Amino acid sequence: ETAVFQTPNYHVTQVGNEVSFNCKQTLGHDTMYWYKQDSKKLLKIMFSYNNKQLIVNETVPRRFSPQSSDKAHLNLRIKSVEPEDSAVYLCASSWDSSQNTLYFGAGTRLSVL
Amino acid sequence: AQSVTQPDARVTVSEGASLQLRCKYSYFGTPYLFWYVQYPRQGLQLLLKYYPGDPVVQGVNGFEAEFSKSNSSFHLRKASVHWSDWAVYFCAVSDNYAQGLTFGLGTRVSVFP
Repeated sequence: ETAVFQTPNYHVTQVGNEVSFNCKQTLGHDTMYWYKQDSKKLLKIMFSYNNKQLIVNETVPRRFSPQSSDKAHLNLRIKSVEPEDSAVYLCASSWDSSQNTLYFGAGTRLSVL
Repeated sequence: AQSVTQPDARVTVSEGASLQLRCKYSYFGTPYLFWYVQYPRQGLQLLLKYYPGDPVVQGVNGFEAEFSKSNSSFHLRKASVHWSDWAVYFCAVSDNYAQGLTFGLGTRVSVFP
C-alpha cells in the first residue's frame, strides 16, 4: 500500500522554467529524501531532511532546492530547468536518520524540452 | 566510501526457472544491505534487508538473499520466477551513520514463457 505520495506523476516543461514537485508521507517518519534516477536507472541521493532540518546535501546544482513545511512533507524546486534535469525524481522516507529502510514514492518523471 | 556493484546489467530467464542476481559491496566493517525491486513506471519497493545476524534473509514473493562477509557479497535468489518478476532489481548498502542508501546500477530481469 502506497504511503509516500508524489505529485505530479509527469511534467513536461521548457528550458529555463521553474518547476516544483511535491512529496508527502503518511508513515509518521522523521526523515525524508530526494533521489534522482537518470535514463540508465542510476540512483543518486540529492537531499535528506530529518525533522525539517537538512542533513544531506549532495553536490547538486544550486538551481535545486528542497522545501520542508513539516516532517511529513518535502518538496523539490528547480529554479531554472536544464535539459540534463530530465529524469525521474524519487521521494523516500525512513523512521529516522539512522534507520536505513527507505520507503519510496512512485516518482515524478520530468522531461525538459 | 561504500559502494555496490551489480555485475549483470541484464538477465533473461524462463518462467519457472531459478534466478540469481549478484551483488558485491565495498564497505569497511559490517554493512546493512538491501534489495529493492522497481516495476515499470513505479517507485522502488523493498524486497528484503540484512542487518547483522543470520546470513540468509527471507523476503517477499519468495525471494531470499545470502550475505557473505568473506566474499563481500549479497546475492539474491528465487527458486521459481513468475512473469510478474519482470522488473529492475537494485542492491543497496548503508551503515548506521550514513544518510540514505548507496545503490548499484541495477539488474534488469526479463521473464519469458
